[in-house]
Amino acid sequence: AQSVAQPEDQVNVAEGNPLTVKCTYSVSGNPYLFWYVQYPNRGLQFLLKYITGDNLVKGSYGFEAEFNKSQTSFHLKKPSALVSDSALYFCAVRSTDSWGKLQFGAGTQVVVTP
Amino acid sequence: SAVISQKPSRDICQRGTSLTIQCQVDSQVTMMFWYRQQPGQSLTLIATANQGSEATYESGFVIDKFPISRPNLTFSTLTVSNMSPEDSSIYLCSVSSGRAIETQYFGPGTRLLVL
Repeated sequence: AQSVAQPEDQVNVAEGNPLTVKCTYSVSGNPYLFWYVQYPNRGLQFLLKYITGDNLVKGSYGFEAEFNKSQTSFHLKKPSALVSDSALYFCAVRSTDSWGKLQFGAGTQVVVTP
Repeated sequence: SAVISQKPSRDICQRGTSLTIQCQVDSQVTMMFWYRQQPGQSLTLIATANQGSEATYESGFVIDKFPISRPNLTFSTLTVSNMSPEDSSIYLCSVSSGRAIETQYFGPGTRLLVL
């Protein structure tokens, strides 16, 4: 079984400040981890993923995420948030023995204020 | 990444009717999936659309309610049958190559409101 937890329903941050969106996971095998973003009235857009190798993964729009195996976490970060980063962010996990199915977290609404 | 389109983008339907949602991909893909996103909720996998055979449904979803077709490697349809207001959701199509390490890409979604 696999599961994902996003402990914060909403994250509020001022423009220009660092942004962190938290994600922890549970899988039976090695994890493949993904972050997606959903803007209002839009589908999901892929941001970045961790498969193997360097624990720090860089993705689209200046986002990065750090894989921490001991803490089973994959937090999304951006050094300086923009108002346009305001959206719904989803963390997802797939285990190596789960050929296609993604398990999504509940989502975290990010609100960046000017 | 694949370019995925869905039709319709949104619709308002009366209870008891059915709606068929189309998903078109600009290249051949191994795996196609259908998800539901209820208002304010996360994504829930409805089924995996298998080319040339019946779809594989997740627990809580049945073929009579959500019949799925996949006639080829670039196209799939999801029908929401005998709709009720509880079916009001965003329905998303997604695709991947089938390898666990590969990214799953999503269509823009179909926003359905059932009155």
